[in-house]
Amino acid sequence: NAGVTQTPKFQVLKTGQSMTLQCAQDMNHEYMSWYRQDPGMGLRLIHYSVGAGITDQGEVPNGYNVSRSTTEDFPLRLLSAAPSQTSVYFCASSSNPGYYGYTFGSGTRLTVV
Amino acid sequence: GNSVTQMEGPVTLSEEAFLTINCTYTATGYPSLFWYVQYPGEGLQLLLKATKADDKGSNKGFEATYRKETTSFHLEKGSVQVSDSAVYFCVSFSGGYNKLIFGAGTRLAVHP
Repeated sequence: NAGVTQTPKFQVLKTGQSMTLQCAQDMNHEYMSWYRQDPGMGLRLIHYSVGAGITDQGEVPNGYNVSRSTTEDFPLRLLSAAPSQTSVYFCASSSNPGYYGYTFGSGTRLTVV
Repeated sequence: GNSVTQMEGPVTLSEEAFLTINCTYTATGYPSLFWYVQYPGEGLQLLLKATKADDKGSNKGFEATYRKETTSFHLEKGSVQVSDSAVYFCVSFSGGYNKLIFGAGTRLAVHP
């Protein structure tokens, strides 16, 4: 049971480049989310999904897009990378977040230069 | 809006010392509460949870009780080990907003 798998683990981008962070889960969870972690700020929600075909914005969505075509996958797209997007990104999934919380992936460390 | 406040770190303890990390929350209604732990270079792991008032969550010697009266969910452990060194996050979940709300995290360093 792989849980939540994120790729890549590390990435360096130049300002203005685009890329997609991949996230896949094999637990058949309906709920999936993307968070970013910055020093001293805890984790902040970027986008989330409550099922295939349904996505919504979190508290810091600007500069990011998501789609959810399958239950398993929830990719995060950076449209035009900026240095302010340098962060560690975590994908998470759950069958019932209010009861079980979320299961997190191991993260992607992104540096934008 | 909903928020979580936890004590600032770092917290430095000797092995076998008693640990308390304070956490308070603000919320509309009664959120579910969690403690997550992040070991160096890793993702977040759920440590324990409480989904209603007066519930006590426990795991690996850690405990926290959901106190509605004081809107608190303090993390405690009677005897810490070097392997407990990590960052601990207090987290709330409100279904109306469908998101986890994180405290800023408290770094714990345990020395032999």
